This record gives sequence, structure tokens and C-alpha cells, in this order.
Amino acid sequence: EDKVVQSPLSLVVHEGDTVTLNCSYEVTNFRSLLWYKQEKKAPTFLFMLTSSGIEKKSGRLSSILDKKELFSILNITATQTGDSAVYLCAVVISGTYKYIFGTGTRLKVLA
Amino acid sequence: KAGVTQTPRYLIKTRGQQVTLSCSPISGHRSVSWYQQTPGQGLQFLFEYFSETQRNKGNFPGRFSGRQFSNSRSEMNVSTLELGDSALYLCASSLDLQIETQYFGPGTRLLVL
Repeated sequence: EDKVVQSPLSLVVHEGDTVTLNCSYEVTNFRSLLWYKQEKKAPTFLFMLTSSGIEKKSGRLSSILDKKELFSILNITATQTGDSAVYLCAVVISGTYKYIFGTGTRLKVLA
Repeated sequence: KAGVTQTPRYLIKTRGQQVTLSCSPISGHRSVSWYQQTPGQGLQFLFEYFSETQRNKGNFPGRFSGRQFSNSRSEMNVSTLELGDSALYLCASSLDLQIETQYFGPGTRLLVL
């Protein structure tokens, strides 16, 4: 069965800290991996990764994929209270384009 | 461009009733997917529609159904509601089939009593 596992389930840090969120997967036909940020309702798209070893970066956020070890990490540097959210990882299955989501990591950044 | 809109935003129903939720995708987007989000199970894929046809289906019972109209708007229906159907139902649109980047709506929060 295809599955995506995120860790940790939740995390509390202070402003200015750096955090690393993990996403590991076991799927039959991998196409891509996506990261989303969900603050209140609608998840918002962060990154899409398809190739191993190529870092995607947007401001203080960055992400990288390791297709050999079947995982991805999302890094947030110099965290701010506005980074508090649930971060979701999803793997897209090749052929069907189905999304398999992880249960998310809840990040809380304290002032 | 307006984002994905979903109506209603909140809904309370009782067991055994049925419910219809609506989703209007971003203008020009032709693919619409539906997800159920619960604290225990996370985001689970329900189905995807493109050109008024269901293209993908998740592992949900037949009580969950959907459809898409010619203007790409989509509805999902849940019949014979159960307590476990209480969840946030999210709709996402993408430009075309097989385009990974999806844009989510704010969701409909359904509570079944």
C-alpha cells in the first residue's frame, strides 16, 4: 500500500530557530513530491520536487528530495511566528496522478 | 484571478441525511479534485474530475459521489451520512489533468450529529 509518513507530528520552537521537517514515502510509482503549508483552511503550495539532490528554495524555506532513500526534507531558517502552520507532504503517483498525503507536521513558533 | 471557492463553508447534518457540497475552480482550470481531511487520517483523496468525467477515485464507499459540469464547477454528494463523515472537505483545482500543482479552496466543514 502506498504511504507517506511525516515526522515529527508536532514541533514547538522559538523565533529565530531553524527547523527541519521530514517526509518519507513508500509508493509503487513515484512521479513527484509536493510540500504545502496549511494555516487555517486551504493548503497553499510551497514546492514541487521531481529530481534527487536539487534544492528548491524560496526565501527562508528550502526543500530537497532523495529518491534513493525515499525521503524529502523541508527546512525553515530564522523561523517567524507567521510560519506556524501544518506542513503537508504529498507524493504524486505516476500514471494515475493520485496524491498520497502525509498526516502533516504541526509547527508552532513562539515569539 | 479569484481563487477556488467552496460552498457552504459550514454544515451541520444528522445521521442518515445526505449532503451536497459545491466547488468552483479557478477560472480556466479544468481539473477538480476532492479530499477529506480528518485529524486522525489526514488528507485523503476522494476523486478527480476532468471534462465532466471522473478520472481517478480514492478508496471511499459508494455513498460518496461527485460530478462536474461543463463550466468545470463540481459537486460532491454524500448520502446516508455517518458520524465518521464529519470532516473538512477540500476541493482543489489545477489547470489541466496531470498537472501536479493544485490550488485548494477554503473547504467545507461538515459536522454530522
